[in-house]
Amino acid sequence: GENVEQHPSTLSVQEGDSAVIKCTYSDSASNYFPWYKQELGKGPQLIIDIRSNVGEKKDQRIAVTLNKTAKHFSLHITETQPEDSAVYFCAAPTDSSNFGNEKLTFGTGTRLTIIP
Amino acid sequence: NAGVTQTPKFQVLKTGQSMTLQCAQDMNHEYMSWYRQDPGMGLRLIHYSVGAGITDQGEVPNGYNVSRSTTEDFPLRLLSAAPSQTSVYFCASSYSGGAGTGELFFGEGSRLTVL
Repeated sequence: GENVEQHPSTLSVQEGDSAVIKCTYSDSASNYFPWYKQELGKGPQLIIDIRSNVGEKKDQRIAVTLNKTAKHFSLHITETQPEDSAVYFCAAPTDSSNFGNEKLTFGTGTRLTIIP
Repeated sequence: NAGVTQTPKFQVLKTGQSMTLQCAQDMNHEYMSWYRQDPGMGLRLIHYSVGAGITDQGEVPNGYNVSRSTTEDFPLRLLSAAPSQTSVYFCASSYSGGAGTGELFFGEGSRLTVL
């Protein structure tokens, strides 16, 4: 099965600065890497994902990069805003043979705090 | 659409009591799952189902039972609650359509305390 490690566990950045969260995975056959954001008292919500056929994907202020050789992927948030404060989880398919990619192994989470 | 609905939101049990956490989705998703969230341990998969009548174990299934009699509902049963089951439980569903899918839709969680 997949093993996903996530760092750091907590991160504080000044509003307007950038934040980077990193994850490593163990199964070289994994091909789908989502990021979820969990606001206080809510369930996680998908914010961006990347598949193994690309190295980077952007969506406005957030981006994800993937290095398949090193088996790590990262979330980048630029021009951070107070509403970016949340817990962020990376994930990878638990079983690389899982065609639909729904069965996920999650990292342990990063609590991001934006300092006004 | 209501999405994924979990009940109850909060529950306190005594050791040895049983209860059922309810999960319902109205998106006609084939895949449903239960995760538990504990501090410093992220989200861990308890049980999952790829369709009505089909269930399987995840990473931490001990002490929990599930069933899937309809596409919409996926209840999680604790037969004899233990303090180690104190956690926040999340139900999640997804359209299981093969390559190109995979987004999980989560409920808002059920916070369970076992005394």
